[in-house]
Amino acid sequence: AQSVTQLGSHVSVSEGALVLLRCNYSSSVPPYLFWYVQYPNQGLQLLLKYTSAATLVKGINGFEAEFKKSETSFHLTKPSAHMSDAAEYFCAVRSGGATNKLIFGTGTLLAVQP
Amino acid sequence: GAVVSQHPSRVICKSGTSVKIECRSLDFQATTMFWYRQFPKQSLMLMATSNEGSKATYEQGVEKDKFLINHASLTLSTLTVTSAHPEDSSFYICSATGDSLATEAFFGQGTRLTVV
Repeated sequence: AQSVTQLGSHVSVSEGALVLLRCNYSSSVPPYLFWYVQYPNQGLQLLLKYTSAATLVKGINGFEAEFKKSETSFHLTKPSAHMSDAAEYFCAVRSGGATNKLIFGTGTLLAVQP
Repeated sequence: GAVVSQHPSRVICKSGTSVKIECRSLDFQATTMFWYRQFPKQSLMLMATSNEGSKATYEQGVEKDKFLINHASLTLSTLTVTSAHPEDSSFYICSATGDSLATEAFFGQGTRLTVV
């Protein structure tokens, strides 16, 4: 069965600093991995996805993530945080099989300090 | 990306009444739609998976008679909360996806349900 673990429910960075949000996955088959962002009282917006092509995936708003099979990780990074990046971030893995559902991590709330 | 429209964004209803939430895929055919519930400061909890023209598959612990899901077309799924009670107050989110595993799920804007 697939699962994801997000280390750190809260992360705080200064504006302009590096953002690193951690995600580790467990999957018995090659995974499809996603990062979503959620702003208060809104749905989820896709930041980027890994679908077995390039291991370094670039997404929207300057975010990128690197798939590392040896570490079973898919950490999200951004070189320089902006105030508008403050939001909840979810890592997810596609379950495959008949239901094809997304399995979400518990989320990481990113705070950006001025 | 594709657009999923969820309506209403907010609803307040009286205890004992029913509320219907709509989820529409505006520019693609969604073979599968998912309904989630999200409690404050928590992750999304999958309630059910629905495929067009067939009965929804509910996750363990979700009352199918209370949360009625209909997926009558490839662009519309509805969630009806029947005989709502204050404990049903929550943020409900739908998502829609196509067949491919590589295809991401597109999410609606969410519905804030408050039962008074």
